[in-house]
Amino acid sequence: SQTIHQWPATLVQPVGSPLSLECTVEGTSNPNLYWYRQAAGRGLQLLFYSIGIDQISSEVPQNLSASRPQDRQFILSSKKLLLSDSGFYLCAWSVGQPAYNEQFFGPGTRLTVL
Amino acid sequence: EDKVVQSPLSLVVHEGDTVTLNCSYEVTNFRSLLWYKQEKKAPTFLFMLTSSGIEKKSGRLSSILDKKELFSILNITATQTGDSAIYLCAVVYGGATNKLIFGTGTLLAVQP
Repeated sequence: SQTIHQWPATLVQPVGSPLSLECTVEGTSNPNLYWYRQAAGRGLQLLFYSIGIDQISSEVPQNLSASRPQDRQFILSSKKLLLSDSGFYLCAWSVGQPAYNEQFFGPGTRLTVL
Repeated sequence: EDKVVQSPLSLVVHEGDTVTLNCSYEVTNFRSLLWYKQEKKAPTFLFMLTSSGIEKKSGRLSSILDKKELFSILNITATQTGDSAIYLCAVVYGGATNKLIFGTGTLLAVQP
């Protein structure tokens, strides 16, 4: 069966520090991978999606970046965090056509920038 | 501007009540609408709707899409405390490149 892992679960970082959140998927090949952010009291905002290694689309301009060094690994990074980067970060995967298939979410990382 | 609006933002009901959650959208080149339930952490998939007027059902939950009026509803009958969660609506849309946009969600609290 497929599983998706995210770490860390919780992170508190000072403004201006770097960020690296990791997401890995097991039990499937060639998944579509997604990074979302959920601010307090808000819906999910799609940040990045990837249909393959080194194939990443950015949905919202910001100071975050994403990389996919391996088929089932998706990394969210920042060189310098802002206060507004605080939120709940969710990684998700799907297979096949990205538009029509359900997505499965990881447990999320709660990031607080102070 | 493409947008998805959910209502109500939150509601409190008693066990056994029936609730209807609304999701309206304004997007270009609609493709599908998704409903998710988010309890403590990760959202879990409920339904995907692509055709108008066809009800999807899973136990006490059902959903239907109206592509003419640009909305969907999610019904929960005989609510239980375990139904307490945020219910998220998302719309897939776009031309050459598909995009996905979520609504802000409806927070449902079911009291015993």
